[in-house]
Amino acid sequence: SQTIHQWPATLVQPVGSPLSLECTVEGTSNPNLYWYRQAAGRGLQLLFYSVGIGQISSEVPQNLSASRPQDRQFILSSKKLLLSDSGFYLCAWNRQGVGETQYFGPGTRLLVL
Amino acid sequence: SQQGEEDPQALSIQEGENATMNCSYKTSINNLQWYRQNSGRGLVHLILIRSNEREKHSGRLRVTLDTSKKSSSLLITASRAADTASYFCATDADQAGTALIFGKGTTLSVSS
Repeated sequence: SQTIHQWPATLVQPVGSPLSLECTVEGTSNPNLYWYRQAAGRGLQLLFYSVGIGQISSEVPQNLSASRPQDRQFILSSKKLLLSDSGFYLCAWNRQGVGETQYFGPGTRLLVL
Repeated sequence: SQQGEEDPQALSIQEGENATMNCSYKTSINNLQWYRQNSGRGLVHLILIRSNEREKHSGRLRVTLDTSKKSSSLLITASRAADTASYFCATDADQAGTALIFGKGTTLSVSS
C-alpha cells in the first residue's frame, strides 16, 4: 500500500529565515506530486506540482520554490520567509492521468514570527 | 484559480439529521471529487463521480452531479458527531493537466 510522509508536523520560524519542507511517497512509482497551502479556515491553494523528476510547475508566483530531486521526494523551500508564508502546507500525490484521486499527507503547520 | 465553490460555508446540525452541501464549478470537467478534512489534518478522499454519471452512493454518502448546471451536491444521511469536518469539492477542469482545483469548503458541525 502507498503512504505519504511529511515533516516536520509543526514549525515556528523567524521572518527572513530559510525553509525546507519535505514530502516522500512510498509504495508507488512515478507519482504526480503537489504542494498546497491552506490559510486558516480557507480552501487549498495549489502552489506547485510535478509530473516527474526535475519537472516543476508553479501555479502562484511567490516567495517559495519546489524541487523534486528523486522520483518520490518533493521539497518546498524558501530562502527568506515572510510573515505571509504562515499557513498549513499539504503535500499530495496521485497516479498519472487526468483527474485522478489525490492522497494527502498529514500536513505541516508553519508559523512565521 | 478557484473552480469549485461550496455552499453553505458553514452548516450546524444535530446528530441523526441529514447534511447537504453543494458545489458549483465554472468549466467542463472529466470528474468531480469530494474530500473531507478533519481539523488540522490532511484531506481524505470520499467519492469520485464522473461527468457521465448523475448519482453515486457510498455508505451514508450520496453525491449527485448536474453537468448542465455545473453543480454537485453531497448528502450525508443520519449524521454523527464524527462527521464534523470540512468538506471540499475538487474538479479537474477538463484539461490535460493533472492538478485538481479545490473549492473553499463547507464546515460541518454535528452536535450530539
